[in-house]
Amino acid sequence: DQQVKQNSPSLSVQEGRISILNCDYTNSMFDYFLWYKKYPAEGPTFLISISSIKDKNEDGRFTVFLNKSAKHLSLHIVPSQPGDSAVYFCAASMTYTDKLIFGTGTRLQVFP
Amino acid sequence: SQTIHQWPATLVQPVGSPLSLECTVEGTSNPNLYWYRQAAGRGLQLLFYSVGIGQISSEVPQNLSASRPQDRQFILSSKKLLLSDSGFYLCASGTGGWEQYFGPGTRLTVT
Repeated sequence: DQQVKQNSPSLSVQEGRISILNCDYTNSMFDYFLWYKKYPAEGPTFLISISSIKDKNEDGRFTVFLNKSAKHLSLHIVPSQPGDSAVYFCAASMTYTDKLIFGTGTRLQVFP
Repeated sequence: SQTIHQWPATLVQPVGSPLSLECTVEGTSNPNLYWYRQAAGRGLQLLFYSVGIGQISSEVPQNLSASRPQDRQFILSSKKLLLSDSGFYLCASGTGGWEQYFGPGTRLTVT
């Protein structure tokens, strides 16, 4: 049972435009959400997170939006740069647990 | 900040051979430690996690095992590798269900 889903395996965006990566979850008990970025042959690196008490968190070019009623979160990258080309994973967790549940990832390609 | 060390970076092993992957952590004490696998076309699958020395939780039944002999050392093992064990293995360190920090990974190919 995939509790965290990223239904778009890939996304291609022109440099300078906005990239929007989506993530859906099924477990209403999740209360903390994270985005990770992964380059080939490297470990994922933490990008940005959001608590369920917020609906938006911004860090430079990266903004995460959370819609609890729809059980949906999205990552916006503005403006997109070629160096943003990577696989992006969303992850979710619940208070008092020790685990992150990861989605299957979305490969973002930013072209000139 | 935390630094996660993993070795080797790449490994090619025949079917039926044993496996030992090691992970060590610097810059923190008493972390939660995790082993993940990223198989082709799939996300990050949690294999094992540990909240303390000698405490191992298994997420997926398989022919792999994990051990935590020291606070900042986590080992992934197998007695006999299967072809399906091929993948990219990642060790991570974290505190509960919050941000986790990942090592560089080990690419395992079972032939």
